[in-house]
Amino acid sequence: EPEVTQTPSHQVTQMGQEVILRCVPISNHLYFYWYRQILGQKVEFLVSFYNNEISEKSEIFDDQFSVERPDGSNFTLKIRSTKLEDSAMYFCASSAGTLYQPQHFGDGTRLSIL
Amino acid sequence: GIQVEQSPPDLILQEGANSTLRCNFSDSVNNLQWFHQNPWGQLINLFYIPSGTKQNGRLSATTVATERYSLLYISSSQTTDSGVYFCALIQGAQKLVFGQGTRLTINP
Repeated sequence: EPEVTQTPSHQVTQMGQEVILRCVPISNHLYFYWYRQILGQKVEFLVSFYNNEISEKSEIFDDQFSVERPDGSNFTLKIRSTKLEDSAMYFCASSAGTLYQPQHFGDGTRLSIL
Repeated sequence: GIQVEQSPPDLILQEGANSTLRCNFSDSVNNLQWFHQNPWGQLINLFYIPSGTKQNGRLSATTVATERYSLLYISSSQTTDSGVYFCALIQGAQKLVFGQGTRLTINP
């Protein structure tokens, strides 16, 4: 069964540094998402992306965050100047459609900010 | 926005027991998914079930959209079933809203 793959599985970064999290969505999917889970809390929506542009974003997704689909297969989340509170598990997801299609999640990248 | 409430928050069972996890939601549903988060943090997609009943081995799920709840059944629990179970619903067109989860612990 096709999978969403995320790299790296764990990223440790100094506060203030830029970090890029990478995802390869399922190949025939058109909608891409990033979610975040702070340790011990529920999963929270960050952003959705369709047709090379952001279609929806949450209040969490401020100016320090950006997303990009640099080529036909990768989907990236960039955090420009990391803060301690950015430490979390970041999940990428993709779906073939929106309302009536399930979202498929990757295994996540655990981001630790020191 | 849509409210998603899961119960119980914690559940501790012996291996072999059966369990029922509940998800209540405040609005009509077009997309409801159940996930299992294992101890390594991975989110495993269990069911896509906006309505009706589905079964996959020892797990089954039922969503009654008109009464705004969904149930996840786990039969003959195994220690590998331990983890956190989340239900999530679509708000708007694309945003999945997750519940707080039920932490299930299966003791040998």
